[in-house]
Amino acid sequence: GQQLNQSPQSMFIQEGEDVSMNCTSSSIFNTWLWYKQEPGEGPVLLIALYKAGELTSNGRLTAQFGITRKDSFLNISASIPSDVGIYFCAGQEGLTFGTGTRLTIIP
Amino acid sequence: GAVVSQHPSWVICKSGTSVKIECRSLDFQATTMFWYRQFPKQSLMLMATSNEGSKATYEQGVEKDKFLINHASLTLSTLTVTSAHPEDSSFYICSASRDRVSGTGELFFGEGSRLTVL
Repeated sequence: GQQLNQSPQSMFIQEGEDVSMNCTSSSIFNTWLWYKQEPGEGPVLLIALYKAGELTSNGRLTAQFGITRKDSFLNISASIPSDVGIYFCAGQEGLTFGTGTRLTIIP
Repeated sequence: GAVVSQHPSWVICKSGTSVKIECRSLDFQATTMFWYRQFPKQSLMLMATSNEGSKATYEQGVEKDKFLINHASLTLSTLTVTSAHPEDSSFYICSASRDRVSGTGELFFGEGSRLTVL
């Protein structure tokens, strides 16, 4: 199936820094979801977005559903070691996944 | 959140054998479940949609005779990899939605099953 373009592919940041990643699509989506996946496990839902322009927070995580409905971003503030993992955006109610952003945190 | 469980977590088999992977929704009923495949350092690719009581819908390029899907009850879907070959080695993940009717669209994923074919 179709894949969403996610950037950056990988990030190496220091603990305490903020993180920003985004996802774009050539198609309009009615739902944007952000997941985190750790090695050898299934994805875990972080944030779900249902309306264009919607800005939603979950603790240190904030995500926005783009006005055009073709993009979304995820921000993580004040990163901590347990934030390490691969972050995926997903559209079409979780049936189409982004290419992933691998986050590595340097102590 | 809702709980989806897969079994086994990992399996090693000989080339030519068949392997069955189970996906269960533990605390909700799921009329629809989804199966994905994930190669190392790559994203999840949807393989098929599993519908309770009817045939699965396969994505383009996925061999339905190779990957048999059965959704016999509202809490269980199985994926059988038939006549497995080394190239079938991958991480297989299932998901289910607790409330697709209302349009919430939140999918909950199983822990994944790592298949290694020798």
